[in-house]
Amino acid sequence: NAGVMQNPRHLVRRRGQEARLRCSPMKGHSHVYWYRQLPEEGLKFMVYLQKENIIDESGMPKERFSAEFPKEGPSILRIQQVVRGDSAAYFCASSPTGQGANVLTFGAGSRLTVL
Amino acid sequence: QQQVKQSPQSLIVQKGGIPIINCAYENTAFDYFPWYQQFPGKGPALLIAIRPDVSEKKEGRFTISFNKSAKQFSLHIMDSQPGDSATYFCAATLNYGGSQGNLIFGKGTKLSVKP
Repeated sequence: NAGVMQNPRHLVRRRGQEARLRCSPMKGHSHVYWYRQLPEEGLKFMVYLQKENIIDESGMPKERFSAEFPKEGPSILRIQQVVRGDSAAYFCASSPTGQGANVLTFGAGSRLTVL
Repeated sequence: QQQVKQSPQSLIVQKGGIPIINCAYENTAFDYFPWYQQFPGKGPALLIAIRPDVSEKKEGRFTISFNKSAKQFSLHIMDSQPGDSATYFCAATLNYGGSQGNLIFGKGTKLSVKP
């Protein structure tokens, strides 16, 4: 069981470019969550997705950020026109359906640096 | 009302000591309280969790104490070891509907256990 796989682990972008972060959930998990961690801060919830559905996007910035979890392939967190304040670690987590749905397994994170 | 306040920010103990990390919450609807451990460059890993119908839960050297009336919970690490040196996050969530993965995290406690 490979766990939650995130890539890239490190990404450097210049202001105005686009960043795409990918997440493959644990085998058997159908719920995917994205969290952002700023330096010296706790994690902040961004979005909760199931296959082809956004369930809760209450933590997503209204502009430039989007997320998807297609029927086939990994979940994608997309940040358009990145700014310096987007520099952070972005963590994906997954959980199973039913009992244990609140037991999140986190990936190792993708660290975005905006120059 | 959605905050979880965690203290202290950092903690240094000698090997064998019992570090205690405290968290407080406001939202009385929260009903699932996990603790996560994070090593540098890694994602958070679930350590132990508790629900408000019990006042204490123990797993190995890790114990959660829960005080529902005070809206506080704490993590105790018995016989701490240098390998326990990490950042610890408390969290809280609503354990129903689509909210179970929307964890509200504290800001973290950086624990250092000296040999």
